Amino acid sequence: KAGVTQTPRYLIKTRGQQVTLSCSPISGHRSVSWYQQTPGQGLQFLFEYFSETQRNKGNFPGRFSGRQFSNSRSEMNVSTLELGDSALYLCASSMGVDTGELFFGEGSRLTVL
Amino acid sequence: DQQVKQNSPSLSVQEGRISILNCDYTNSMFDYFLWYKKYPAEGPTFLISISSIKDKNEDGRFTVFLNKSAKHLSLHIVPSQPGDSAVYFCAASARNTDKLIFGTGTRLQVFP
Repeated sequence: KAGVTQTPRYLIKTRGQQVTLSCSPISGHRSVSWYQQTPGQGLQFLFEYFSETQRNKGNFPGRFSGRQFSNSRSEMNVSTLELGDSALYLCASSMGVDTGELFFGEGSRLTVL
Repeated sequence: DQQVKQNSPSLSVQEGRISILNCDYTNSMFDYFLWYKKYPAEGPTFLISISSIKDKNEDGRFTVFLNKSAKHLSLHIVPSQPGDSAVYFCAASARNTDKLIFGTGTRLQVFP
């Protein structure tokens, strides 16, 4: 079956703009979580959605938001982009019933100029 | 196609014994490997790493072994403690990239 799909794979924005990233989980998975990956900070947890509800949230400013749709697809949005937001944004899906396994997508690489 | 594979979704070990978590990879360009630990309701946190120029790296109770010819790495936890109960992810990256490729994780349960 298809894996976790993230779009777009690459994008370039300028400071002050906003961006929306999309994640389609593996069919049947109800949980989607988002991570920011940077060389300096490593992997940082943004938030997790389960059945259209935000279940957990990491320590990021309110400029970072997300949502999940009834088909489990998820989007994350970053408003008022800053240079430091340049990173690889990873989405991971799971059944969401604490099985432990996470399936990661390829990521969306955002560059902010 | 999974480039990083953790074929055991779960592992149960008695407190005080050794826990061995395994990870296989397919991309020969990978030269840096990491292990992350994840508790429920939290994101993964970095645990230990190893460069391909080494075959072993040790940090307290945690040791990572790398077998490049077999494209295999393992994480040893000795002695295992109940607080080690978590999901462990192995990750790999290739030279000159900062992109990590993650395995799907192994749930470790350490019982008294």
